[in-house]
Amino acid sequence: EDQVTQSPEALRLQEGESSSLNCSYTVSGLRGLFWYRQDPGKGPEFLFTLYSAGEEKEKERLKATLTKKESFLHITAPKPEDSATYLCAVPAGSQGNLIFGKGTKLSVKP
Amino acid sequence: NAGVMQNPRHLVRRRGQEARLRCSPMKGHSHVYWYRQLPEEGLKFMVYLQKENIIDESGMPKERFSAEFPKEGPSILRIQQVVRGDSAAYFCASSPHPSPTGELFFGEGSRLTVL
Repeated sequence: EDQVTQSPEALRLQEGESSSLNCSYTVSGLRGLFWYRQDPGKGPEFLFTLYSAGEEKEKERLKATLTKKESFLHITAPKPEDSATYLCAVPAGSQGNLIFGKGTKLSVKP
Repeated sequence: NAGVMQNPRHLVRRRGQEARLRCSPMKGHSHVYWYRQLPEEGLKFMVYLQKENIIDESGMPKERFSAEFPKEGPSILRIQQVVRGDSAAYFCASSPHPSPTGELFFGEGSRLTVL
């Protein structure tokens, strides 16, 4: 059965303290791995899609990387506005049918 | 360009009542997806619809839940005879087809509370 596991569940950082979030997946034939950000009371907001091992994508202070078994979301010198829950997901079945992990709740303190 | 619009944002129902949640996709998007987010759980896929067609309903509970996306008007997720376990945030997403990045555009959700 396809699965997505994210760790840690929660991460508290000081402003400027870099770290990484992990997303481990078990799928039969990866057709992409997605990262989303979700703010409290809001819907998820798309960040990145990665398709093959070794691929990297960057956006501001975020960089996503992909291996054959896991993906990392690296956060460099985070700011309080980066506080959110970060979700990763993999496709299962039809377009738009995604398996989401439970997310990592990131808090960045000034 | 307005985003995905969901209403109502909050809905309170008593056990046994019906809940209707509406979703208008982004302009130009003809594909709609419904997800449910239970407390302390991840987002779970429910159904994928195109205009007048259900493409994938593999995540829909077999009873009490139905979805439609008519030729005119919003997509509707209908929950009949609600129970306390239906309390959750229901998110709608839309996409163009094909979607170059696989990106889904999510609405802000409808939060259902069953008393």
